[in-house]
Amino acid sequence: GAVVSQHPSRVICKSGTSVKIECRSLDFQATTMFWYRQFPKKSLMLMATSNEGSKATYEQGVEKDKFLINHASLTLSTLTVTSAHPEDSSFYICSASQGGYQPQHFGDGTRLSIL
Amino acid sequence: AQKITQTQPGMFVQEKEAVTLDCTYDTSDPSYGLFWYKQPSSGEMIFLIYQGSYDQQNATEGRYSLNFQKARKSANLVISASQLGDSAMYFCAMNYGNKLVFGAGTILRVKS
Repeated sequence: GAVVSQHPSRVICKSGTSVKIECRSLDFQATTMFWYRQFPKKSLMLMATSNEGSKATYEQGVEKDKFLINHASLTLSTLTVTSAHPEDSSFYICSASQGGYQPQHFGDGTRLSIL
Repeated sequence: AQKITQTQPGMFVQEKEAVTLDCTYDTSDPSYGLFWYKQPSSGEMIFLIYQGSYDQQNATEGRYSLNFQKARKSANLVISASQLGDSAMYFCAMNYGNKLVFGAGTILRVKS
């Protein structure tokens, strides 16, 4: 149980392109979903928290207009990297939780490479 | 503010031996949860074990156990009978509200 699917697993695209990443909870309803960014051999950095039907809460220093998050249902959240540039290249990973002290369950991540 | 410290950037262990990965934390909240996740080179984050601050007993899950010492604010992960497949990055994390704060991670390499 508690499976989170993230798609695509890898994206390579040209600078200026917008890229959408999907995060789905397959067998549970996720009250809250989280988006993280991870640089090689580094820890996860929380970018934003999204709750179904409401606006995402972004962490300090994260550009809201660059990283658009939509949480349209209890099983789907999307992250759109708008007008991506090489410095946006990174590993992005989502997680979903049923709330409270329930553990966050993670997707497999998306490796984004902007040329 | 919540903080997680993992002081071991890398560890080696011989196959079939036990290994302890260190984690200390800092929080002023009396109620909190501690988590350990495994991240193989493929990137996915695998939940291993959870310890609540009010839990009386140390958590165990198969070959994983959590050595929880509340007074010392430590939550070390013990992996028994290491296997080659245990080679990965391991993260200790603590919740604050519904968010998680992660430590810097420890890379574990299991030698045959």
